[in-house]
Amino acid sequence: GENVEQHPSTLSVQEGDSAVIKCTYSDSASNYFPWYKQELGKRPQLIIDIRSNVGEKKDQRIAVTLNKTAKHFSLHITETQPEDSAVYFCASREYGNKLVFGAGTILRVKS
Amino acid sequence: GAVVSQHPSWVICKSGTSVKIECRSLDFQATTMFWYRQFPKQSLMLMATSNEGSKATYEQGVEKDKFLINHASLTLSTLTVTSAHPEDSSFYICSASTGVNQPQHFGDGTRLSIL
Repeated sequence: GENVEQHPSTLSVQEGDSAVIKCTYSDSASNYFPWYKQELGKRPQLIIDIRSNVGEKKDQRIAVTLNKTAKHFSLHITETQPEDSAVYFCASREYGNKLVFGAGTILRVKS
Repeated sequence: GAVVSQHPSWVICKSGTSVKIECRSLDFQATTMFWYRQFPKQSLMLMATSNEGSKATYEQGVEKDKFLINHASLTLSTLTVTSAHPEDSSFYICSASTGVNQPQHFGDGTRLSIL
């Protein structure tokens, strides 16, 4: 089955700097890659997603890039703010609409 | 749109008790619902996938007789943890989707604590 690896496990940045989180996946048939933000004790919230027919997608300060050949995708957050502090999960969708999640990245934005 | 309600949000009960968790899609019809378990500081692990009107498909290592899933309508799925023990304490989260290739929308989760 699908395997998703996520790095780094923790990331500290200064407010206003950029943050980049990277994920790799193993199943070349996977075609959908969402990113979720989860605050402590709360639901994962979809912040951006990308399908396999697109190389990049942007939504204000958030962007995702996908390299199908290398089987990796990345989340980019620019002009980080303290409220961006949370745990971020990448995921890959495999057969049957199942999502396989990465291990998560704890992002701390220091003001 | 795409609101998923999960109830209860927090349960504390004695060992041996069975606990039922409900997951409802409030403004859409969910042909597929997913149940995840999340231990502290860990990722979401899929337990089972349920399609309306059919038996749930469980992931490897998840006991189907321990975690009973019912998806009787397009807006409601339930997870019953039978004879719960302290090791079943976890954060249980459901998600719902309108179908294949559609995003999953998550409920608020249920924190289950077994004493």
